[in-house]
Amino acid sequence: ELKVEQNPLFLSMQEGKNYTIYCNYSTTSDRLYWYRQDPGKSLESLFVLLSNGAVKQEGRLMASLDTKARLSTLHITAAVHDLSATYFCAVRPNTGNQFYFGTGTSLTVIP
Amino acid sequence: EAGVAQSPRYKIIEKRQSVAFWCNPISGHATLYWYQQILGQGPKLLIQFQNNGVVDDSQLPKDRFSAERLKGVDSTLKIQPAKLEDSAVYLCASSRGVLLGELFFGEGSRLTVL
Repeated sequence: ELKVEQNPLFLSMQEGKNYTIYCNYSTTSDRLYWYRQDPGKSLESLFVLLSNGAVKQEGRLMASLDTKARLSTLHITAAVHDLSATYFCAVRPNTGNQFYFGTGTSLTVIP
Repeated sequence: EAGVAQSPRYKIIEKRQSVAFWCNPISGHATLYWYQQILGQGPKLLIQFQNNGVVDDSQLPKDRFSAERLKGVDSTLKIQPAKLEDSAVYLCASSRGVLLGELFFGEGSRLTVL
């Protein structure tokens, strides 16, 4: 069974601090996606990573992909309250067109 | 460009009743997905359509859930009869269908089964 695991599941951090969310997956894939979900809202696409070594940055968030380690990271730099949300990674196996989502990381940024 | 449209946004029913959810994907998106998201969990794929054909319905509880995508555009997901454990948000998503395309989600339909 394909597994997509994120850690931590819950993260409480102070404004201005840095932290990294990890996404491990158990299949061969070079297609990895990060989504953000605010409470009661739908999922919003953040990053699309499509090759080994891919790195994307948007504001205080940076995502990277290591396909050999089957690992993606989402790094938060100098966190602000507006980043409080749940973050999901999703994997598309190289064979097939399905998306498999991780367990999610609930981030709370404390002033 | 209009996003993925879903209705209704909220639905409360009693167990053993039936319910239907509707989704209209982004224009031109060939692939449509229905996901179930239980509170505190990641979305779980129920069914995937490519145009009007089913690509993957391996995780759809077929004894009570059904879905169709007539004419390859909008789609309906039905639950009959509903169980308490069906309480969840049902998310519809679409993509262009090409191998590298990302998912675009609708606002979701929140179902409460009493």
